[in-house]
Amino acid sequence: DGGITQSPKYLFRKEGQNVTLSCEQNLNHDAMYWYRQDPGQGLRLIYYSQIVNDFQKGDIAEGYSVSREKKESFPLTVTSAQKNPTAFYLCASSIEEGRNTEAFFGQGTRLTVV
Amino acid sequence: AQKVTQAQTEISVVEKEDVTLDCVYETRDTTYYLFWYKQPPSGELVFLIRRNSFDEQNEISGRYSWNFQKSTSSFNFTITASQVVDSAVYFCALSDSPHWGGSEKLVFGKGTKLTVNP
Repeated sequence: DGGITQSPKYLFRKEGQNVTLSCEQNLNHDAMYWYRQDPGQGLRLIYYSQIVNDFQKGDIAEGYSVSREKKESFPLTVTSAQKNPTAFYLCASSIEEGRNTEAFFGQGTRLTVV
Repeated sequence: AQKVTQAQTEISVVEKEDVTLDCVYETRDTTYYLFWYKQPPSGELVFLIRRNSFDEQNEISGRYSWNFQKSTSSFNFTITASQVVDSAVYFCALSDSPHWGGSEKLVFGKGTKLTVNP
């Protein structure tokens, strides 16, 4: 079945460690996104990529990094520079711009930094 | 600046009750798009509807209906005869684009947590 897979579902890391969240899609979508969700808050855009080997900062990119070496994959690294990394992270993908469409989401990764 | 307000943080109803989730938006754009998403306990966001600013016709999809009123800048969502499976967090969102693209701003409300009790 086509869809977006995020792994792992739960992730625990010690403070000061970098951690990478995986996002894979087999929908042949060009665009992919990373969002952060905090309790009682809406989604905030971290990074997005509209094409392979290209990505742009969203609203809260500081302390995060991404790569887009393959169309299917858009991993997010939470670095030690991120002041408050504990959150729920959602990955999404959509067809390229210019079409009337919506995004499809993965099931998220809940990151807890202790 | 664009803004979406979902004033109801949490709503609790008994099964079979009707429930309306409020969404009020602010934008200076004359062309804009409104979305509703459902986030069940599993975490992923499920697309429910997209409505553009030129189409004020109300929409009904099964037990779901949406009331778009430009005069009050509202895009409310009603669930008729609610069911336990409707329990989720519901997000309203606003964009100046009909499609997803990071260059376009998509602004989310903070969400309303709906609990439907048996």
